[in-house]
Amino acid sequence: LAKTTQPISMDSYEGQEVNITCSHNNIATNDYITWYQQFPSQGPRFIIQGYKTKVTNEVASLFIPADRKSSTLSLPRVSLSDTAVYYCLVGDMRGYQKVTFGTGTKLQVIP
Amino acid sequence: DGGITQSPKYLFRKEGQNVTLSCEQNLNHDAMYWYRQDPGQGLRLIYYSQIVNDFQKGDIAEGYSVSREKKESFPLTVTSAQKNPTAFYLCASTGGGVNGNEQFFGPGTRLTVL
Repeated sequence: LAKTTQPISMDSYEGQEVNITCSHNNIATNDYITWYQQFPSQGPRFIIQGYKTKVTNEVASLFIPADRKSSTLSLPRVSLSDTAVYYCLVGDMRGYQKVTFGTGTKLQVIP
Repeated sequence: DGGITQSPKYLFRKEGQNVTLSCEQNLNHDAMYWYRQDPGQGLRLIYYSQIVNDFQKGDIAEGYSVSREKKESFPLTVTSAQKNPTAFYLCASTGGGVNGNEQFFGPGTRLTVL
C-alpha cells in the first residue's frame, strides 16, 4: 500500500483558496488518489478522486502532476463550515482491496 | 434513501463483556469495512469483507470478530480480549467498479468501556 504524507494542520481565513498537498512517492500504476473530509464525531465523506492531471467537481479540484508522486486538493473560497480533517488516500479499491488512512490534515478556517 | 446505518450511536460496556456493533447498508455494495478511530488519530482498519461469507483481517484485528452472513449486514463484535476498546467505530461500504474508490461511511458508534 502506498504511504501518504500530509501536513498535520493548516489555518486559513474565510474566503481564501486552500491547497493541501499530499506526497505518495510509491504510488502504484493502478492506484487512484482519493480525498475525504471528516467532521468531529462523523464518518468521513468522499470529496474527490483522480488518477492523473486535473479533476474538478462542485466542491473541490484535484491536481495531479505527471509523475503522480504527489497531489494537491484545492478548496476554493473556504468558509467556516470547511473546518475539518482532510484525508488523502492512495490505492485501488475497485477490486475491494483495502486502503490506509493516514492522520490527515486538520484545516482550521478563521473568520 | 440509500445509505449505511450503525447502531447504537453510543454504547457503554463493562470490562470483560463482549459487545456487538451493528452495521447495515442498502446500497447493494459487495464490500464492507470496519475502522477504529482514536482521538486525534486517523482511521485504522479492523476487518473487511469483499463478499458474503468471506472476510479478511485488517491492520488491528486482534480482539475483534466479524461475520458476513448477508450482503447488507456486517456486525462487529468487540471481545473481552480487546485490551483498549474505548474508541469511535466506523463502518463503510464500497460498490467497486468505476466508482469503487468511493467509500460510503456510516455515522459511527462511540464505545466507552467503564
